[in-house]
Amino acid sequence: QKEVEQDPGPLSVPEGAIVSLNCTYSNSAFQYFMWYRQYSRKGPELLMYTYSSGNKEDGRFTAQVDKSSKYISLFIRDSQPSDSATYLCAIAGNQFYFGTGTSLTVIP
Amino acid sequence: DAEITQSPRHKITETGRQVTLACHQTWNHNNMFWYRQDLGHGLRLIHYSYGVQDTNKGEVSDGYSVSRSNTEDLPLTLESAASSQTSVYFCASSPWTGTNSPLHFGNGTRLTVT
Repeated sequence: QKEVEQDPGPLSVPEGAIVSLNCTYSNSAFQYFMWYRQYSRKGPELLMYTYSSGNKEDGRFTAQVDKSSKYISLFIRDSQPSDSATYLCAIAGNQFYFGTGTSLTVIP
Repeated sequence: DAEITQSPRHKITETGRQVTLACHQTWNHNNMFWYRQDLGHGLRLIHYSYGVQDTNKGEVSDGYSVSRSNTEDLPLTLESAASSQTSVYFCASSPWTGTNSPLHFGNGTRLTVT
């Protein structure tokens, strides 16, 4: 079983839609959770960083962690064409474990 | 602004050749990492270093080596390139030791082994 699983998509939504991206993980001991955004031909950039359970909001982005279900989510409100990218979840155990990424396209 | 620079951005090499990918960071971070990114596998750790003269193997280290002679640089060497090493390689750094320290990535080197 992989440490983290992520639906690869691709996901295509109209501009202004609410986007939900999700990952599941296997080890309940994990406590640090991150979301990275990766534009085509670029390196991943840190988008959100959360510790333990709960929600964290930053502008149009909300990261949610449900430790009881071992489930993490990233919500994007009022999605924009500039949000078109691949989103990677990452979980920190004794090393970083990355999801395979979800490709998102926001159509104007 | 501080950054991580990887070179070259693209490289084509032949099977059996030795290849070195460069990584230079100006964050003054002690911790540096090399990952490879492949479809269906996500990012996988190759090698990492927590400081000068320190190097450690990651989950996919076979066929790769690194050396750390200063804080800024962590070159990745493929001793004898194989087609299975065709991939996109990312260098990253982090400010403190421990997996609660988020990674800062370079823009990658796309390597093709023919």
